Amino acid sequence: DGGITQSPKYLFRKEGQNVTLSCEQNLNHDAMYWYRQDPGQGLRLIYYSQIVNDFQKGDIAEGYSVSREKKESFPLTVTSAQKNPTAFYLCASSTPPNTEAFFGQGTRLTVV
Amino acid sequence: AQSVTQLGSHVSVSEGALVLLRCNYSSSVPPYLFWYVQYPNQGLQLLLKYTSAATLVKGINGFEAEFKKSETSFHLTKPSAHMSDAAEYFCAVNYNFNKFYFGSGTKLNVKP
Repeated sequence: DGGITQSPKYLFRKEGQNVTLSCEQNLNHDAMYWYRQDPGQGLRLIYYSQIVNDFQKGDIAEGYSVSREKKESFPLTVTSAQKNPTAFYLCASSTPPNTEAFFGQGTRLTVV
Repeated sequence: AQSVTQLGSHVSVSEGALVLLRCNYSSSVPPYLFWYVQYPNQGLQLLLKYTSAATLVKGINGFEAEFKKSETSFHLTKPSAHMSDAAEYFCAVNYNFNKFYFGSGTKLNVKP
């Protein structure tokens, strides 16, 4: 079945450590996105990529980094520079024109 | 700035009652509009989308939404709530094909 796979579902890290969240899609979508979700704040865009080897900062990119070396993969690294990394992270993909975004099941990151 | 506003962070209805979740967008150009549903600790699932065809859009699980350009609104309705409708609902807009903006979400509680 086609879809988006995020792994792991739950992730615990110590403060000061970098951590990478995985996102893989087999939908052959051009665009991929990373969102951060906090209670009462909806989804905030971290990074997005419209094509391989290209990506743009979203609204809250500070403390995060991404790469897009393959069409199907868009990993997100949460660095130690991110002040408050504990959150639910959602990966999505879409392809134009006018189509919806398809979401993975999310990764809940807890930094202690 | 382009944005989407959801009125009411929490809505409570009785089982069998009408569900009305409100969404307004800010743009002089009609965007592409979406409603998503999210169950706890899961990703977002598309309920319905408006892409400049019919203004009344029917989605899954008995939900529908009406695009009203004069009011810049895209409210979500369902004639009769079911206990399984309890979830968080997000309105989203897409202005330039591959950048989505989400509202802050509305949690729907359904009382027996």
